[in-house]
Amino acid sequence: GNSVTQMEGPVTLSEEAFLTINCTYTATGYPSLFWYVQYPGEGLQLLLKATKADDKGSNKGFEATYRKETTSFHLEKGSVQVSDSAVYFCALRSGSARQLTFGSGTQLTVLP
Amino acid sequence: DAGITQSPRHKVTETGTPVTLRCHQTENHRYMYWYRQDPGHGLRLIHYSYGVKDTDKGEVSDGYSVSRSKTEDFLLTLESATSSQTSVYFCAIKTGASDSPLHFGNGTRLTVT
Repeated sequence: GNSVTQMEGPVTLSEEAFLTINCTYTATGYPSLFWYVQYPGEGLQLLLKATKADDKGSNKGFEATYRKETTSFHLEKGSVQVSDSAVYFCALRSGSARQLTFGSGTQLTVLP
Repeated sequence: DAGITQSPRHKVTETGTPVTLRCHQTENHRYMYWYRQDPGHGLRLIHYSYGVKDTDKGEVSDGYSVSRSKTEDFLLTLESATSSQTSVYFCAIKTGASDSPLHFGNGTRLTVT
């Protein structure tokens, strides 16, 4: 079956630090990969996505590259801000599946 | 904004009572989903719907039922709530093509005492 494994949190960084949140997956076929972000008290919002190998998704300074050879989709940002504090979820949709499979989420706190 | 409204936003109920959560969308999208969010588990799919009266089970469907009698409403019912169903429940819709992302409501926090 499909599964997503994220690095465990919480992650605490100082403002302007470099961020990496690791995500690896197991899936049949060629999945589409997503990163969602959840701010306190809100639902999840799509941050970025990639639909095929070697694609790079990017948004708001965040990037993730679909690596088929390592089955990974790590999230990176070069310089985090306090406003990036949130929970980040990696997710996949495999083949004709109509639903997403989510990782367990990583809490990020950025300190001023 | 995908026009998703969940109600209620918060609910406290007692073990053994029935509870219904409502998800309403304003844009007539075909696919609707119910997920629950729990610490350490991320989001897990309960049920989903691909049209009026067309629903299917997700990975954690035991103890839950759903109904979709109108395109815009997707109801989640806990027939007899248990403490293990204390969670935050999110409704989502899928807009557009097969690779389109999910759009989520703001969640319902349910506490079963």
